[in-house]
Amino acid sequence: DAKTTQPPSMDCAEGRAANLPCNHSTISGNEYVYWYRQIHSQGPQYIIHGLKNNETNEMASLIITEDRKSSTLILPHATLRDTAVYYCIVEYNFNKFYFGSGTKLNVKP
Amino acid sequence: DGGITQSPKYLFRKEGQNVTLSCEQNLNHDAMYWYRQDPGQGLRLIYYSQIVNDFQKGDIAEGYSVSREKKESFPLTVTSAQKNPTAFYLCASSIPRDTGDEQFFGPGTRLTVL
Repeated sequence: DAKTTQPPSMDCAEGRAANLPCNHSTISGNEYVYWYRQIHSQGPQYIIHGLKNNETNEMASLIITEDRKSSTLILPHATLRDTAVYYCIVEYNFNKFYFGSGTKLNVKP
Repeated sequence: DGGITQSPKYLFRKEGQNVTLSCEQNLNHDAMYWYRQDPGQGLRLIYYSQIVNDFQKGDIAEGYSVSREKKESFPLTVTSAQKNPTAFYLCASSIPRDTGDEQFFGPGTRLTVL
């Protein structure tokens, strides 16, 4: 099973870019990388996903290394509302997501 | 508005009682999932269903049961066989795409067994 490794916590100043790393060294060639975030006691919220190429949407950018063994989620201008637990997820088997413990991002004023 | 609803938000039960958690979606998604989350931990897959009248065990299915009689509904029963049922339970749904399967999550049900 593909697993992910993330730092348990990170701090970021409000207005600055938040760069959240993730290692997924056992990922297979056709497995997507997904990022979700979870604000306390709520359901996880989808942010972005990708396979090989870098991706960008209105929330964030996803940078995937060429060997696909790691990725970085970039929140370009973090706000206090971005304080949450961020999960880097890979899909294993069919439609099965592996959630690790995630990174607790603390955005500070 | 389309989405996933879970009810109730908080649920209390006495030890030894079975309890059923509701999950309904109006997104017309084929696949539905149940996850369990313990404090400070990530989500763990309990059961999933890719189509009506079919479901598979996830990583921690012992002590749980599900049914999928309708596309919109995927109820989870926490039985008395589940050793530590107190947890936050999350339901999700998705539709398979060639470009990846985004899962949509409900607001969750927090179950406390006294």
